[in-house]
Amino acid sequence: EAGVAQSPRYKIIEKRQSVAFWCNPISGHATLYWYQQILGQGPKLLIQFQNNGVVDDSQLPKDRFSAERLKGVDSTLKIQPAKLEDSAVYLCASSLVPFGNSGNTIYFGEGSWLTVV
Amino acid sequence: GQQLNQSPQSMFIQEGEDVSMNCTSSSIFNTWLWYKQDPGEGPVLLIALYKAGELTSNGRLTAQFGITRKDSFLNISASIPSDVGIYFCAGQLYAGKSTFGDGTTLTVKP
Repeated sequence: EAGVAQSPRYKIIEKRQSVAFWCNPISGHATLYWYQQILGQGPKLLIQFQNNGVVDDSQLPKDRFSAERLKGVDSTLKIQPAKLEDSAVYLCASSLVPFGNSGNTIYFGEGSWLTVV
Repeated sequence: GQQLNQSPQSMFIQEGEDVSMNCTSSSIFNTWLWYKQDPGEGPVLLIALYKAGELTSNGRLTAQFGITRKDSFLNISASIPSDVGIYFCAGQLYAGKSTFGDGTTLTVKP
């Protein structure tokens, strides 16, 4: 079974520039998550999709971050304009149903590493 | 928001030793999760706990959901070099939204 695919793996941009990350979840997984992981910290949920609808985006800085999952499959996370503090790993994850119900598992991609200079 | 305190922050142990780490919160959770993250990769789920007091094993790993629902611990027995990595706890109030601790970095000396 193919895992969660993310691209690009690495990106270096200047502050105030824009960047986009792409995620393709495991086939059939209805729930997709974007997490931000700053060095030395645990992942922080930015947004959760159920199919193509947003379930939770309470921690997404909406003045500069946006995400979409138009056809309920792959997803894009965009940052515009980037700030220095956005330097982090952006992790995409997916699960069959919202993870936390007994019996299902959440799978993470390898992450997209962003450095803002 | 909810905060998780994970300790210790780092551990240096000898191969073959047992390891114990824990996670505490000021808030209750309905689910506790333990993940391992290797360098350059995403976290991998090790153990999920769904009920207060639950004790669950996965090979050499054992985790418990605290009776107060505000804490959890993870034990690794007879550590081996491939146990090296960062271990994260996470709590969930409801399905989907996890709050992560800041991790315990484990180093195993052969």
